[in-house]
Amino acid sequence: QKEVEQNSGPLSVPEGAIASLNCTYSDRGSQSFFWYRQYSGKSPELIMFIYSNGDKEDGRFTAQLNKASQYVSLLIRDSQPSDSATYLCAPRWGAEAAGNKLTFGGGTRVLVKP
Amino acid sequence: EPEVTQTPSHQVTQMGQEVILRCVPISNHLYFYWYRQILGQKVEFLVSFYNNEISEKSEIFDDQFSVERPDGSNFTLKIRSTKLEDSAMYFCASRSNTDTQYFGPGTRLTVL
Repeated sequence: QKEVEQNSGPLSVPEGAIASLNCTYSDRGSQSFFWYRQYSGKSPELIMFIYSNGDKEDGRFTAQLNKASQYVSLLIRDSQPSDSATYLCAPRWGAEAAGNKLTFGGGTRVLVKP
Repeated sequence: EPEVTQTPSHQVTQMGQEVILRCVPISNHLYFYWYRQILGQKVEFLVSFYNNEISEKSEIFDDQFSVERPDGSNFTLKIRSTKLEDSAMYFCASRSNTDTQYFGPGTRLTVL
């Protein structure tokens, strides 16, 4: 059973601060890792993805991947109230194939306080 | 910007009735997915579809579920005889040859 674990939160951060979200996964075969943002009652919206160990930056977001530790994180810099949402970690397991399903963690709820 | 669309946004049905949820994937995408999310729970994979056949399905996707791409644009999920526990948000997603899946806005299914 492949598992994806996230702290459910809420993670409360003051406006302008850095929010740090963590995700661990059980399968060393994971190929790529996606972070989605989900506002209440809405669908997942892609934030960013990462394939290789190390850091990847996109605007105010930085994803960090450590495959040896089976750990991926997301940093949100200069947090804004509009960043208040649930952040979903979703590894993709298996070789590049027609399946390519995503397995989602339970998400971390982030609350940015003005 | 192209996006995945889904209809209806909300479907209410009686237990035992059949429902069809509709999705229009992004036009040049080749791979299609259905996920569901029961209120307060994780997003769960149901089924993936490529080249007019199911690529993979989860244990949730039993004989009561089916998918179809009836024409060049629509992708449908049918639940033959709905149960109370089928009440959830159903999300369609699609992707091109890249890894990234794009999600539609979802259909909220309420089974009474």
